[in-house]
Amino acid sequence: DAKTTQPTSMDCAEGRAANLPCNHSTISGNEYVYWYRQIHSQGPQYIIHGLKNNETNEMASLIITEDRKSSTLILPHATLRDTAVYYCIVILYGSGNTGKLIFGQGTTLQVKP
Amino acid sequence: DAGVIQSPRHEVTEMGQEVTLRCKPISGHDYLFWYRQTMMRGLELLIYFNNNVPIDDSGMPEDRFSAKMPNASFSTLKIQPSEPRDSAVYFCASSLGVYYSNQPQHFGDGTRLSIL
Repeated sequence: DAKTTQPTSMDCAEGRAANLPCNHSTISGNEYVYWYRQIHSQGPQYIIHGLKNNETNEMASLIITEDRKSSTLILPHATLRDTAVYYCIVILYGSGNTGKLIFGQGTTLQVKP
Repeated sequence: DAGVIQSPRHEVTEMGQEVTLRCKPISGHDYLFWYRQTMMRGLELLIYFNNNVPIDDSGMPEDRFSAKMPNASFSTLKIQPSEPRDSAVYFCASSLGVYYSNQPQHFGDGTRLSIL
């Protein structure tokens, strides 16, 4: 599975958009980009995933560059409850694959009032 | 809908004692995962099951650790004998049809284990 690189920490003002970058320059054509987050003392929570196209759900948007070597998770209107560690994970799905999640250090997002 | 349920939420015990952690996956999910989280090593996969059968236990630290899944709605992770270095938060997760689809894993709230 491709390795990912994320900034260690970021700050965001409450109500503003939080843009969390992730580099995955060695990603292969059939690897997906997944985002999870972990709020203090809770289990990781799935946010969104994508392959090539940009994706949006009720929690966030995922923008994947055309060459797929990087992506950005966007929380459109960050709240204090979005303070968490955000993990970008690249993983291969399909026959013969385990779907094992390999968590890196992630980005600690601090949303400030 | 009920999510992944883990018990106990907290466990404090003395070194050498047997520890049993429990997990109830989301109904209908056919994959179950056990993870451990520590400050030093972050989140790491210990073992996972598909249809109650252990598929990959390469992450299990040593023979003191064992996991079972007697049926589709219950799994245990056992440590015997326990040691202080086993202190961590243990998470259980489940998912549906990982093998051929892109279903995400759903995590429980974890068991915080302290071995004195």
